Amino acid sequence: DAKTTQPPSMDCAEGRAANLPCNHSTISGNEYVYWYRQIHSQGPQYIIHGLKNNETNEMASLIITEDRKSSTLILPHATLRDTAVYYCIVRARNNAGNMLTFGGGTRLMVKP
Amino acid sequence: NAGVTQTPKFQVLKTGQSMTLQCAQDMNHNSMYWYRQDPGMGLRLIYYSASEGTTDKGEVPNGYNVSRLNKREFSLRLESAAPSQTSVYFCASRPPGQGNYGYTFGSGTRLTVV
Repeated sequence: DAKTTQPPSMDCAEGRAANLPCNHSTISGNEYVYWYRQIHSQGPQYIIHGLKNNETNEMASLIITEDRKSSTLILPHATLRDTAVYYCIVRARNNAGNMLTFGGGTRLMVKP
Repeated sequence: NAGVTQTPKFQVLKTGQSMTLQCAQDMNHNSMYWYRQDPGMGLRLIYYSASEGTTDKGEVPNGYNVSRLNKREFSLRLESAAPSQTSVYFCASRPPGQGNYGYTFGSGTRLTVV
């Protein structure tokens, strides 16, 4: 799996967009970018994933740079309930196997 | 649909005691996992079971054993608890074919070893 680098913490004002960056400069062609989050005292929750095109779902948008060396998770209108640790994970889709690896993640604090 | 259920939610053990953490999923998933999370850290894989009848070591298996009792249940046993095993334990499951986005996690078991 490619190594990822995320800032340890970020703040965001409630109602504003939260933009969480992730660097993955060693990503290879068959590796996807996955985002999970972990709200305090709960298990991780899947958010979104993508290969090279930008993706959007009901929770967030994922912007991947053209060279795929970095990406940004966007929460368009952050709420207090979005306060969590956000994990960026890079893995090959066919490496579905048996170890989803979580690094330190970014602790997002949404403030009123 | 309960998803992944872990019991107990909280437990305090004395050093040397044994206990089993239970995990059950009702989504007919093939693969199941046990992770631990120490304060301020990411999750680390202890053991996993790719399918009923198989188990394999993860990143930090020492001090633990597992049993895949059937397709639904995957238990984690501490034979002789140590303070270093104080952690939050998460069970997860994943169906075939959904790759790395199909994981469902339980709400965790908070274990303190004194």
